[in-house]
Amino acid sequence: GAGVSQSPSNKVTEKGKDVELRCDPISGHTALYWYRQSLGQGLEFLIYFQGNSAPDKSGLPSDRFSAERTGGSVSTLTIQRTQQEDSAVYLCASSLAGGLYTGELFFGEGSRLTVL
Amino acid sequence: KNEVEQSPQNLTAQEGEFITINCSYSVGISALHWLQQHPGGGIVSLFMLSSGKKKHGRLIATINIQEKHSSLHITASHPRDSAVYICGNTDKLIFGTGTRLQVFP
Repeated sequence: GAGVSQSPSNKVTEKGKDVELRCDPISGHTALYWYRQSLGQGLEFLIYFQGNSAPDKSGLPSDRFSAERTGGSVSTLTIQRTQQEDSAVYLCASSLAGGLYTGELFFGEGSRLTVL
Repeated sequence: KNEVEQSPQNLTAQEGEFITINCSYSVGISALHWLQQHPGGGIVSLFMLSSGKKKHGRLIATINIQEKHSSLHITASHPRDSAVYICGNTDKLIFGTGTRLQVFP
């Protein structure tokens, strides 16, 4: 596709259930980022993938959160045993390169997660 | 403490006014992003800059790496400029909480 694609766009789940959020970055983009945006809040960095390097997981809020990126392309963010405080919009972004000079960032439309 | 601070948090303006949004950061960086987020909408990258100034249409972004400060200017503001403007650094992938701009006709 032409842009960063995220699915699902909306997810309502019950507390304690696991959820998977998917991000399909722009073809050829080696860097992929996950952010979380709670209502009225700023962008909270979660995890960063750059090529074949080990991901930067320093932003993951707890061990219930994990992410993987298969084949250097599609990424999946998994939240286990969801809690109400996990409710937020999860945003994925990609860029042609990572590191100190990322180049333009392209964001997906986000996945809105609501935990009841 | 967020390493990227923006001011003001909220800004209202009349159409046509010149607008300035400021971004300060506490640690050295190599480059900085400016993003735009419309209400209920997605995020669009406006600029990435590592020095000097960049201009795109009515938008101008400046950065002073030594002073750890960047500004986003909007000339001849228009109601469609109403959005949240977010700055963030490329090194540590940290963004500010944004400046909410409303431009009234």
